[in-house]
Amino acid sequence: DIVMTQTPLSLSVTPGQPASISCKSSQSLLHSDGKTYLYWFLQKPGQSPQLLIYEVSYRFSGVPDRFSGSGSGTDFTLKISRVEAEDVGVYYCMQSIQLPPTFGQGTEVEIK
Amino acid sequence: EVQLVESGGGLVQPGGSLRLSCAVSGFTFSSYWMHWVRQAPEKGLVWVSRINSDGRSTNYGDSAKGRFTISRDNAKNTLYLQMNSLRVEDTAVYYCIGGWGYWGRGTLVTVSS
Repeated sequence: DIVMTQTPLSLSVTPGQPASISCKSSQSLLHSDGKTYLYWFLQKPGQSPQLLIYEVSYRFSGVPDRFSGSGSGTDFTLKISRVEAEDVGVYYCMQSIQLPPTFGQGTEVEIK
Repeated sequence: EVQLVESGGGLVQPGGSLRLSCAVSGFTFSSYWMHWVRQAPEKGLVWVSRINSDGRSTNYGDSAKGRFTISRDNAKNTLYLQMNSLRVEDTAVYYCIGGWGYWGRGTLVTVSS
């Protein structure tokens, strides 16, 4: 199975400041079709996860543009340009290039 | 409005069975791969199973192989997960997912004697 490793595991951010989460995969997520199958999800407290970013850098419908994704191969980053109170929760990266799809351990983001 | 509503969870004894259902509305169910992902209490996300749009292709995670069966009824816009030989470690919230963008609220399965 592909191992997804997120850092840091927790993050405390002042509102209005940027935040960044790293995700590294044990194998390249670049498919022969040219797409890279790396996703980012946010699970807000008491809610189900929601898709933020698909294929490394594409924001899902309704996701604010303060969220951006980047990276290639095995190294990926989720950035929040200016953290807001509603961004608290656990962020997960996930790969789906290979079965089984696997998730990172999660990064808990809290507001200072 | 997109809605995925899971049902069928509950308390079951080890070795027992449950059938989860997921009723979908708000998107073209028959066009989407569907997944089940589970989350044990205070733990991370673990993929369980997937099924392609016409139901002819299925895949399972190691923990589900031989015990769980995923299926769908495109006429009813409903996804299913038949879970047999349940173990204590299957205790989790089970989420139904369309593509990767549409998630239900989950249904809690508790396996305990």
